[in-house]
Amino acid sequence: GEDVEQSLFLSVREGDSSVINCTYTDSSSTYLYWYKQEPGAGLQLLTYIFSNMDMKQDQRLTVLLNKKDKHLSLRIADTQTGDSAIYFCAERVSVPNSGYALNFGKGTSLLVTP
Amino acid sequence: KAGVTQTPRYLIKTRGQQVTLSCSPISGHRSVSWYQQTPGQGLQFLFEYFSETQRNKGNFPGRFSGRQFSNSRSEMNVSTLELGDSALYLCASSAIKTIYEQFFGPGTRLTVL
Repeated sequence: GEDVEQSLFLSVREGDSSVINCTYTDSSSTYLYWYKQEPGAGLQLLTYIFSNMDMKQDQRLTVLLNKKDKHLSLRIADTQTGDSAIYFCAERVSVPNSGYALNFGKGTSLLVTP
Repeated sequence: KAGVTQTPRYLIKTRGQQVTLSCSPISGHRSVSWYQQTPGQGLQFLFEYFSETQRNKGNFPGRFSGRQFSNSRSEMNVSTLELGDSALYLCASSAIKTIYEQFFGPGTRLTVL
């Protein structure tokens, strides 16, 4: 399928805000997601946003959606060293036989320095 | 509630062999999806099972197959292993009412020598 685009790397200082950006491909995607992957682990669902929303806030996480530009961002407030991980953006896309699957970006590696 | 579990966590096989990976979904979840994660291709959808039936399939060769049991546990099988099958295989489960929420297991790391 087409590529979901993310920048590969982001470095921030502890206590600062982090913003991870993503451009997705399917304008009909109904759900857009952010997953977190720590070394040697699976994917942790951080948050998701329905396509009729512009913004969703969940504690330190804020998701912004610009449907016109097919742009999704994840802001992490007061970033901590424990937030260091790879963050994946994903869109829910239709697949043959009336199903759905997640189409992932390549991931943004976030490094938080003390 | 226990999360998605996958066994084994690590596996080493040689080319030409076959392998079976297992996934137990979150209790009450009936949809199970499988993904392959490699450094080069990233995360790619393999297939989805619901109520013991394969609903969707990604763009993978027929060597990759799966099944789901009546208790929603799922297995995937890869026959005639190739070096390029080395990857982290991730399983995700969803509930019927919140099918858009997929929760992933820790994965099985398969190395093909």
